Amino acid sequence: SQTIHQWPATLVQPVGSPLSLECTVEGTSNPNLYWYRQAAGRGLQLLFYSVGIGQISSEVPQNLSASRPQDRQFILSSKKLLLSDSGFYLCAWSVLGGTGGYTFGSGTRLTVV
Amino acid sequence: DAKTTQPPSMDCAEGRAANLPCNHSTISGNEYVYWYRQIHSQGPQYIIHGLKNNETNEMASLIITEDRKSSTLILPHATLRDTAVYYCIVNNAGNMLTFGGGTRLMVKP
Repeated sequence: SQTIHQWPATLVQPVGSPLSLECTVEGTSNPNLYWYRQAAGRGLQLLFYSVGIGQISSEVPQNLSASRPQDRQFILSSKKLLLSDSGFYLCAWSVLGGTGGYTFGSGTRLTVV
Repeated sequence: DAKTTQPPSMDCAEGRAANLPCNHSTISGNEYVYWYRQIHSQGPQYIIHGLKNNETNEMASLIITEDRKSSTLILPHATLRDTAVYYCIVNNAGNMLTFGGGTRLMVKP
């Protein structure tokens, strides 16, 4: 069966520090991968999506970047965190070209102090 | 993708059916209706989706009107653990899901 792993679960980082969040998927090949962010009390905002290795599309300009070094690995990064980067970060995957839904990871709650 | 309209909040008594409405009057012929829910501090969970026909699974039933301009998610016997934000999304298969505000369902004892 397919599983998605996201870590860490919680993270407190000072302003100006770097960030690296990792997401891996097991049990499927060539998935679509997504990074979403949810600010406190707000809805989910799509940040990045990827349809293949090295293929990254950004939905909104921001202080973040994403990379997909392997088929089932998706990384969210920042060189210097801002206070506004605080939020709940969620990774998700879906089947390429499929009509089924997304499967989300358990999320990382990031607090920038 | 077509936009959806959902009530911001609803209450339901434990053990009763929860009927969550969604309007999607601009849905196009190849767009599916998806339902997700998000329990506090967790990632969204896929519930069900459909194109034209009504659908049922172990979690819920999805009723889509004949003109496809609205749908209803039915939780047949709501429990306290069903308290969550429920998102209705219409999407062309293969496109990115865009989440709106959803309906905050509160199941009360």
